[in-house]
Amino acid sequence: DIQMTQSPPSLSASLGETVSIECRASEDIYSNLAWYQQKSGKSPQLLIYYASSLQDGVPSRFSGSGSGTQYSLKISGMQPEDEGVYYCLQGSKYPLTFGSGTKLEIK
Amino acid sequence: EVQLVETGGGLVQPGKSLKLTCATSGFTFSNAWMHWVRQSPEKQLEWVAQIKAKSNNYATYYAESVKGRFTISRDDSKSSVYLQMNSLKEEDTAIYYCGLRLAYWGQGTLVTVSS
Repeated sequence: DIQMTQSPPSLSASLGETVSIECRASEDIYSNLAWYQQKSGKSPQLLIYYASSLQDGVPSRFSGSGSGTQYSLKISGMQPEDEGVYYCLQGSKYPLTFGSGTKLEIK
Repeated sequence: EVQLVETGGGLVQPGKSLKLTCATSGFTFSNAWMHWVRQSPEKQLEWVAQIKAKSNNYATYYAESVKGRFTISRDDSKSSVYLQMNSLKEEDTAIYYCGLRLAYWGQGTLVTVSS
């Protein structure tokens, strides 16, 4: 199985700060990577697919990048509504596998 | 508007069975690849199963942890996808979500396996 190592486990950011979350795959996943945001008590929401494509309706302050085994999610200008847990998901090979999550809070 | 509504969760004893249903609307279900994903009480997400469309011969895929115990199926006439869960274990306790291409998710249904 492809292991997804996500870092950091938690993060605290001030309003307006730029934040980055990383996911490293145990093998090349050819940009088959998605990022999700999950707010408390809600189901995960898709932010980014295919490593860098922004899902419809997602604010442009969210961006994704990466290739091969290394991927990142950037939030350019932290907003209060960005608090939550962020997960990456690889869709390159079965079984699909998630990262362990990054809890993002306002400082 | 895409809607996915999971039902069928509940409290069940180890070794018993449960069947989850995901009723959908707002998209062409017959062409859709559907998934089940679960989230443990520790909040870890785990992909469970996928079923492809008729044009892909309804191919199915499973996580190793559920293979041989869980069965994903679909009824295109009802725009619904199902997860039959047999021989349940305490570690199957989770919120179960269905997903359209993992781009859209339902609100989830809680399955608790406990004696």
